[in-house]
Amino acid sequence: QVQLVQSGAEVKKPGASVKVSCKASGYTFTSYYMHWVRQAPGQGLEWMGIINPSDGSTTYAQKFQGRVTMTRDTSTSTVYMELSSLRSEDTAVYYCARGAPKWELLPGFNYWGQGTLVTVSS
Amino acid sequence: DIQMTQSPSTLSASVGDRVTITCRASQSISSWLAWYQQKPGKVPKLLIYKASSLESGVPSRFSGSGSGTEFTLTISSLQPDDFATYYCQQYNRTFGQGTKVEIK
Repeated sequence: QVQLVQSGAEVKKPGASVKVSCKASGYTFTSYYMHWVRQAPGQGLEWMGIINPSDGSTTYAQKFQGRVTMTRDTSTSTVYMELSSLRSEDTAVYYCARGAPKWELLPGFNYWGQGTLVTVSS
Repeated sequence: DIQMTQSPSTLSASVGDRVTITCRASQSISSWLAWYQQKPGKVPKLLIYKASSLESGVPSRFSGSGSGTEFTLTISSLQPDDFATYYCQQYNRTFGQGTKVEIK
């Protein structure tokens, strides 16, 4: 069965960076794009960006351009999201999420990681 | 960037009510819209994809409609398990701000 397992909670100081991992299993890793979505406490869902595990190409939401880097390791079927220059407003649960196969071009994320809480506090 | 606006932000309803949530896009997105349900402390759950297609395993009381810039999610008869927050999303990108369905 499809599983997306994320790394554990992190506490970081303002100005630091955080790197969250998402290990995929149960499907062909390179056949599906992976997205990152975050949710601040009591707030809505915010799309951060997408990575193509086949070639590592990325597209980031304009809000995070210059601060976010998404990478992948095909040998371990893992994607990573690194966010730098952290500030208190970055305190949130970060999710990886997967949708339909690339060739189906359908909207919607039907598999999500369990979420990783990142707390930014001095 | 395409903006997504949901209405209402909060909705109070009773079990058995018919509930409709609207999502408007700032420009046409054809049928590239998905709806999610999220309960407190839980991961979002996909309900509807491509504006009107029901995700496998989702009860048939949920339905979606619309295309272009205006979309609706309808729950035909609200059940106790349906009290949650609902989000729309366009093109696997921007989410709406959410609609919280509360018990009246």
